[in-house]
Order: sequence, then structure tokens, then C-alpha cells
Amino acid sequence: AQRVTQPEKLLSVFKGAPVELKCNYSYSGSPELFWYVQYSRQRLQLLLRHISRESIKGFTADLNKGETSFHLKKPFAQEEDSAMYYCALRGSQGNLIFGKGTKLSVKP
Amino acid sequence: DTGVSQNPRHKITKRGQNVTFRCDPISEHNRLYWYRQTLGQGPEFLTYFQNEAQLEKSRLLSDRFSAERPKGSFSTLEIQRTEQGDSAMYLCASSPRTANEKLFFGSGTQLSVL
Repeated sequence: AQRVTQPEKLLSVFKGAPVELKCNYSYSGSPELFWYVQYSRQRLQLLLRHISRESIKGFTADLNKGETSFHLKKPFAQEEDSAMYYCALRGSQGNLIFGKGTKLSVKP
Repeated sequence: DTGVSQNPRHKITKRGQNVTFRCDPISEHNRLYWYRQTLGQGPEFLTYFQNEAQLEKSRLLSDRFSAERPKGSFSTLEIQRTEQGDSAMYLCASSPRTANEKLFFGSGTQLSVL
């Protein structure tokens, strides 16, 4: 089965604290994983993808095939990071399979 | 705005009625996707097109749902005999050239079936 699990519905941290949004996947082949973000009243947009090995807005994510995880991390959260975050897996047919999302709330 | 455009933004209909949504992708994007999102859930894949060809349909897409992309540009999603369970946000996304390109999403059409 191809599946993405985001165990936390809501994650609340204070500004300046580290953030880790968890994502686990189930996929039999070589996975291609993404993080999408939706800020308030904005469209869903790509944050980063594992093949690029990039850091966007201070966020990084490392693919761990042994643990089938792709957790999103940021060392110091900012208030503007508050948003819905979706982990996604490219399925065998080419479409994206999304997790249920985690709402990140960064308090001042 | 040169992004993905969806119309209408909101649609309220009575159970049993037919509804049609339109998606205009970013120009020259040859892949177009439809997703559905309900409260508390992530986007769920419905179907996608490469140019005018519908390449994949999810099992979520019952026979009451039909999607077209007649000239490989805009797409329509029609729901016949709507049910209350069809109430959701319907999202369209497009991507350029290959399946490995990132998806650009529209703002969605919020459907409410009364």
C-alpha cells in the first residue's frame, strides 16, 4: 500500500523553539517525497522535495529509508511559519499521495 | 494572476443537482490534476490528464463524476446527482512537461450540497 502518515494534527511551539513535523510513508519502491505548505488564505504550495536536498525558509527534511520517514525540521521557529503542512509521496502512477496534514502554530 | 485559476470559488447546490467546475492551468503545463479535500484531511487524488488524455482515475471517482480536458488546456469536473457526501473543496493543480515537476495548485472550488 502507498500511504503517508502524519501523526500530529496540531503542533504548537513558541517562537525560537525547534520544530519537527513528523511524516512516515509506506511505499515498495524508491520513494519521492515532498512537503507542501498552506499559509492562511493562500494556495497549497511546494515547500521542498527530498531529491533537491534543499533548505527552504530554514526548513530541511531528510529521507530515512530505514525508518521510512521524512520529517520536516527547523531549528528556530518563526511566527510566519504558522501554517498547515502536508507531507506527500509520489505514487506509482505519478500522482501525489498526501498525508492528513499537521497544523503548526508558532506562538510569540 | 498567471497561476492556476478555478471557477467558481464557491458553489452551493441542492442534493440531486448537477454541478460543473472549471480549471484553467498555467499556460503550457501539460499535466492537470484534480484533488478533493474534506475538513481535517489532506488532498485526495481524483484524476489527472496529460494534455487531453485522462491517464489515471482514482477509485474515489464514482460514475457520477466525469472530467474532461478537451483541447489539452482547461479542464472541467462534473458531478451528477450530487450527494451531501460530495461536499468538499475541489482542488486543481498543474505541472509542466514531466511527472517529476512540482504541482502548482489553484485556490479551489468549495462545494456545499444541501
